[in-house]
Amino acid sequence: DQQVKQNSPSLSVQEGRISILNCDYTNSMFDYFLWYKKYPAEGPTFLISISSIKDKNEDGRFTVFLNKSAKHLSLHIVPSQPGDSAVYFCAARGGSQGNLIFGKGTKLSVKP
Amino acid sequence: DTGVSQNPRHKITKRGQNVTFRCDPISEHNRLYWYRQTLGQGPEFLTYFQNEAQLEKSRLLSDRFSAERPKGSFSTLEIQRTEQGDSAMYLCASTLTLAGDEQFFGPGTRLTVL
Repeated sequence: DQQVKQNSPSLSVQEGRISILNCDYTNSMFDYFLWYKKYPAEGPTFLISISSIKDKNEDGRFTVFLNKSAKHLSLHIVPSQPGDSAVYFCAARGGSQGNLIFGKGTKLSVKP
Repeated sequence: DTGVSQNPRHKITKRGQNVTFRCDPISEHNRLYWYRQTLGQGPEFLTYFQNEAQLEKSRLLSDRFSAERPKGSFSTLEIQRTEQGDSAMYLCASTLTLAGDEQFFGPGTRLTVL
């Protein structure tokens, strides 16, 4: 039973356009959400996070939106760059000790 | 480089052998996590240390798995009598209590069990 779901395995976007990656969750007790980027043969790299008491957090080209009523969050990247091509994981802080629960990831390809 | 480091980066072993991985967290990070990632999946939590104390273990951590963090610094993850299903990327992450919630991941150790 997946508590964090990323339903799009892949996404292809033209350079300069907006990339929107989506994530759904089932547990309303999650209080913190994070996005990680992962290149092949490397560990996940933290991108941006959002607390459940907020609905938006912005950091440069990256913005995360949280819709608690829909149990949905999204990551917007604008403008998209070829270097953004990677697998993006959505994660929720779920355990009592802060362990993260990850989705399966979305592979983003940004074409020049 | 002051990031999380993991050794070895790759390990190939035969079924039934024991393997041990090492994680060196960011200095002064007192929280350390182990995750496992298989193909097409996101990382899955295995176990958690606060300083030297192992405070939580996932049901994924069978009796063949053991983890230690003897002095509250580096950690080891040992798998005994490896099985082909143990083939995965083993990731270590660390964070400092009260300093935010993002976990910093190492590059991982890729285990292949033949």
